[in-house]
Amino acid sequence: AQSVTQLDSQVPVFEEAPVELRCNYSSSVSVYLFWYVQYPNQGLQLLLKYLSGSTLVKGINGFEAEFNKSQTSFHLRKPSVHISDTAEYFCAVSGFQKLVFGTGTRLLVSP
Amino acid sequence: KAGVTQTPRYLIKTRGQQVTLSCSPISGHRSVSWYQQTPGQGLQFLFEYFSETQRNKGNFPGRFSGRQFSNSRSEMNVSTLELGDSALYLCASSSGQGIGAYGYTFGSGTRLTVV
Repeated sequence: AQSVTQLDSQVPVFEEAPVELRCNYSSSVSVYLFWYVQYPNQGLQLLLKYLSGSTLVKGINGFEAEFNKSQTSFHLRKPSVHISDTAEYFCAVSGFQKLVFGTGTRLLVSP
Repeated sequence: KAGVTQTPRYLIKTRGQQVTLSCSPISGHRSVSWYQQTPGQGLQFLFEYFSETQRNKGNFPGRFSGRQFSNSRSEMNVSTLELGDSALYLCASSSGQGIGAYGYTFGSGTRLTVV
């Protein structure tokens, strides 16, 4: 069975600082990995996805993630965050006809 | 093109009642899934439909049911509501037959409050 662990429930950071949100996964089969963002009172918006090929994946809003098979990780990074990046971020791994989500990381960007 | 549309956005129901939530997927998408989001349990998979057939179901009691129509629109129903059913219910649609490569596009959700 697939599972996802997001190691940090909350990450505070100052505006224009870099950030990394950590995600580790467990899967017995080939994986597809996703990062979603959720703003207050909204659904989930896809930031980026890893299907195959290059391990560095670029997404929307300046985010990128690196797939590391040996460490079973898929950490999300942004070199310089904005106040508007304040939201909850979910890492997910594909399961059988479903996504398995982590518990989420709340990114708090302050001026 | 239009995104995934969920109606209603907000709903307040009384314990013991039943409720029906609706989801219209992106045009052309044939797979529709439902998730429950709560502060305590996070995002939990409810069920997935493709071409009117339920292909996968999460670990929820039988009070939770769903269906998909020939136009790919989907409904989920919760009977005999309990306080713990209060949650954000998210619908997502996908274009492909295999979830792996396509991911999901999510709607804005229906916020259900049971009092």
